Amino acid sequence: EADIYQTPRYLVIGTGKKITLECSQTMGHDKMYWYQQDPGMELHLIHYSYGVNSTEKGDLSSESTVSRIRTEHFPLTLESARPSHTSQYLCASSPLGSRFSGNTIYFGEGSWLTVV
Amino acid sequence: SQQGEEDPQALSIQEGENATMNCSYKTSINNLQWYRQNSGRGLVHLILIRSNEREKHSGRLRVTLDTSKKSSSLLITASRAADTASYFCATVPNSGNTPLVFGKGTRLSVIA
Repeated sequence: EADIYQTPRYLVIGTGKKITLECSQTMGHDKMYWYQQDPGMELHLIHYSYGVNSTEKGDLSSESTVSRIRTEHFPLTLESARPSHTSQYLCASSPLGSRFSGNTIYFGEGSWLTVV
Repeated sequence: SQQGEEDPQALSIQEGENATMNCSYKTSINNLQWYRQNSGRGLVHLILIRSNEREKHSGRLRVTLDTSKKSSSLLITASRAADTASYFCATVPNSGNTPLVFGKGTRLSVIA
């Protein structure tokens, strides 16, 4: 089992609310990621970070923002939630390593967000 | 954009049968990985195959890689009901220091 934790696991909030999804890992991994996944569908990378104070946008445009102030912590924030943000959000991490060594990713259990 | 495409999108088999899933990708890769996702959960890494390898085994899993065809297959032998899950391939592109790119997944149902 990977030591990567997401909270909350399930959240129902109203439109316009600000929410932060928390993600922490205890493996000392430099790389962290946020993926968005609708039920039964593919994963879309929305943000990633290769270290403290480093953040990048992923392939899927997202209205969310992230921060990486500490190695172990990579929170995702939605300033004003909308029903279109309803989805599962998966946090993941991987060691820095070399590209050839694998970049195996370890996932959290996910946060299910419903915006009503 | 998605790099990998799994085939079939869904697969239903009887317990004890073998399950084969295929993955095709577009650009040259450093390595290819397969992940499993139980319903409503996060993904779990199963196996990694490097671009200079052709076949790899892990328990009941067998992965092949054909870089000339840009394709990989995952074989699960003697399937069990507990193998029911979605299976994703993911590639590490050769170009740049980019994150893993996941395919759309194959949903496997193993009927007891």
